[in-house]
Amino acid sequence: DADVTQTPRNRITKTGKRIMLECSQTKGHDRMYWYRQDPGLGLRLIYYSFDVKDINKGEISDGYSVSRQAQAKFSLSLESAIPNQTALYFCATSDSLTTPYEQYFGPGTRLTVT
Amino acid sequence: QKEVEQNSGPLSVPEGAIASLNCTYSDRGSQSFFWYRQYSGKSPELIMSIYSNGDKEDGRFTAQLNKASQYVSLLIRDSQPSDSATYLCAVNKSNYQLIWGAGTKLIIKP
Repeated sequence: DADVTQTPRNRITKTGKRIMLECSQTKGHDRMYWYRQDPGLGLRLIYYSFDVKDINKGEISDGYSVSRQAQAKFSLSLESAIPNQTALYFCATSDSLTTPYEQYFGPGTRLTVT
Repeated sequence: QKEVEQNSGPLSVPEGAIASLNCTYSDRGSQSFFWYRQYSGKSPELIMSIYSNGDKEDGRFTAQLNKASQYVSLLIRDSQPSDSATYLCAVNKSNYQLIWGAGTKLIIKP
């Protein structure tokens, strides 16, 4: 089945450490997104990419960076993790040719920064 | 004012009844509207999309859109305990982004 996968699924790290979250998709979609979700705040967009050479900041990009290594791969990095980056992180994809606003999500990564 | 607003709930509905979830949005230029279901600890799953005024039905789910009043709703008929989840409303923004409501927690009581 065409799918969106995220690794790792759970991660506990210490303040100041660098960490990378990875997202891969077999849907053939060109657009990819990174969100974080905090209780009561809903989904907030961190970065989005419309193709390998097009990367854009979302509403909460400070403290994060991304890399689009290929159409199917989009990684999120926390250069120096801090406790308030503890959250559930989701990768999502969409297809610009058919339904560009319909987004499909990976299973998520639960990140804890101590 | 939030761009997309939902009552956080919880909304408690007896099994077999109709659950009604509401969402209002602020951008009159929005054209695409979505309902996602999210079980606790899981990822959001798209269940309905609606683009035109009126009703759209898919099985037990009906999405309703009223652009003049800037609201979109989701009706779940014959509610089942498996419908207990948080329902997220999403509305398009320029540049193909979605703006998300914080979600309504729905509890179906057996």
